[in-house]
Amino acid sequence: EIVLTQSPGTVSLSPGERATLSCRASQFVSSSFLAWYQQKPGQTPRLLIYDASSRATGIPDRFSGSGSGTDFTLTISRLEPEDFAVYYCQQYGSSITFGQGTRLEIK
Amino acid sequence: QVQLVQSGAEVKKPGASVKISCKASGYIFTTHYMYWVRQAPGQGLEWVGMINPRSGDTSYGQKFQGRITMISDTSTSTVYMDLSSLRSEDTAVYFCARERGYPQRVLDFWGQGSLVTVSS
Repeated sequence: EIVLTQSPGTVSLSPGERATLSCRASQFVSSSFLAWYQQKPGQTPRLLIYDASSRATGIPDRFSGSGSGTDFTLTISRLEPEDFAVYYCQQYGSSITFGQGTRLEIK
Repeated sequence: QVQLVQSGAEVKKPGASVKISCKASGYIFTTHYMYWVRQAPGQGLEWVGMINPRSGDTSYGQKFQGRITMISDTSTSTVYMDLSSLRSEDTAVYFCARERGYPQRVLDFWGQGSLVTVSS
């Protein structure tokens, strides 16, 4: 099973700043089959990015994904108040696994 | 519009079984795999398994093998997840979610979640 480790566990930033979230896989993720989700308290997860760098429908372009192999990154270029949430990565190159999440909180 | 509507909250005793439903609408039911993902209180997301609604083929997470069953009813566009031999660690919100489409095994629409509480 591919284990995904997200870092940091929690990050505190201010609106307008840039956020960089990391997702590291224990094994090579084939075809960059890596996705990112956002989850706000009391809500269901929302798909942001798939195939490592493709934005899902309706996702603002301040969200971008990058990486390949075992190291992937979600970048939010300029944080808006509504971006403070928990973010999960998911790999689908070999079965399905999720990372443990990164909490993005307001500083 | 795509909607996934799940059954309500359940309270079960250890050792019992629970069956949760997920009714889909707004798209062709048989053209997208359906997944189940759970989230324990205050915890992250965990993949439970998935089903091809057209064929009924399933794939389950290893830790659930032997005590989980997923079925599909194409006449009502509903999938069901049955989890048996419940223990306290199974207390979680269970979500159904639609796969975007192979090879993108990502989840683009989610049900509202069904809370399962396992307690004596």
